[in-house]
Amino acid sequence: GQNIDQPTEMTATEGAIVQINCTYQTSGFNGLFWYQQHAGEAPTFLSYNVLDGLEEKGRFSSFLSRSKGYSYLLLKELQMKDSASYLCAVKATNAGKSTFGDGTTLTVKP
Amino acid sequence: GAGVSQSPSNKVTEKGKDVELRCDPISGHTALYWYRQSLGQGLEFLIYFQGNSAPDKSGLPSDRFSAERTGGSVSTLTIQRTQQEDSAVYLCASSLGGKTAGTQYFGPGTRLLVL
Repeated sequence: GQNIDQPTEMTATEGAIVQINCTYQTSGFNGLFWYQQHAGEAPTFLSYNVLDGLEEKGRFSSFLSRSKGYSYLLLKELQMKDSASYLCAVKATNAGKSTFGDGTTLTVKP
Repeated sequence: GAGVSQSPSNKVTEKGKDVELRCDPISGHTALYWYRQSLGQGLEFLIYFQGNSAPDKSGLPSDRFSAERTGGSVSTLTIQRTQQEDSAVYLCASSLGGKTAGTQYFGPGTRLLVL
């Protein structure tokens, strides 16, 4: 089966850096996604990793280690608008669906 | 181009009634997904369509739930004899099919309340 673990909640200060971890155990691997979901809204795509290493996109970066079944999302220069739920999702096969973790609710405080 | 659209945006129904939720995916996307999300919870996978393949129905919680996708485009999720525990936001997403694609684009959701 598929198992994806993320911390339930995190709190950080405006302007700081926060790292949200995701560990997974899946039957096969064909990519890991991070999505952002603001309260009351639909998830939106943030990043995609299929090879090991760091993908940087502005203030957000995502890292993947396939051998460890581990990823993290790094958010720099936190802003109040970054308060949201962050969902990790793994695509286990090359044609199948992605399995989502339960999400990490990030609260950014002044 | 247009994103994923869903209708209705909100639906209030009485226990025991049937409801139909509609999803219009992004044009050209061959994969379509339905999820359910209760307040403060993660995404619960319901069903997945990929092209002309048989749908993956492994997430449907009971036989009261069914979905179809006509002409490889529009999808309808039907819940028969609704129960109060069916109250949730129902999200639809679509993506390009194939080996490397997988980014899902979500619609705004349908908020279902069963009284």
